[in-house]
Amino acid sequence: GAVVSQHPSWVICKSGTSVKIECRSLDFQATTMFWYRQFPKQSLMLMATSNEGSKATYEQGVEKDKFLINHASLTLSTLTVTSAHPEDSSFYICSARDNWAGGSTDTQYFGPGTRLTVL
Amino acid sequence: GENVEQHPSTLSVQEGDSAVIKCTYSDSASNYFPWYKQELGKGPQLIIDIRSNVGEKKDQRIAVTLNKTAKHFSLHITETQPEDSAVYFCAARVTGFQKLVFGTGTRLLVSP
Repeated sequence: GAVVSQHPSWVICKSGTSVKIECRSLDFQATTMFWYRQFPKQSLMLMATSNEGSKATYEQGVEKDKFLINHASLTLSTLTVTSAHPEDSSFYICSARDNWAGGSTDTQYFGPGTRLTVL
Repeated sequence: GENVEQHPSTLSVQEGDSAVIKCTYSDSASNYFPWYKQELGKGPQLIIDIRSNVGEKKDQRIAVTLNKTAKHFSLHITETQPEDSAVYFCAARVTGFQKLVFGTGTRLLVSP
């Protein structure tokens, strides 16, 4: 199946600093990418949807100035958590939809996740 | 908007038994139904999906059935193995919309 990579896999940072997480689709081009947050033993919570070359659409309650999303190419999206605080500690997962070209599967694949711990 | 309910929340079976997880959706315009397996500390992995023009799809020990009239779909795992132990999520996507709506997950435990 298609592969989505995420980097870093885990990060520990001090309160007040910013952290950037990268998400790449390795063997397909993704017009649409998604960022999720997951708390222990809970389902996936969609934070935002991004389309290549345009601004991300954030879900209700998600602060767009705190969680900056950039989707500058068909294979790369980044999530920057600005001025991180302990309550931002979570498991962040990106996802990419294989929907760029004719013949694409229109299937959504997930990255391995990034564990963020803010001290 | 679309709403997806998933049952059971936990499921314990003996190795070799079958496991069935059921989901219902609310929006009849949904046309795509994937299933994901998530192991501890990892991202969800697509295991099988079905589109609304098909009633059943099978891949080795895994099968998914879709009943559009009743608006429910199910995951069937036969001959379960300990490595099948994980959390399974169903999801649905409405035609013309971008995002998947997820169920709440089922924790499957397969005992040797």
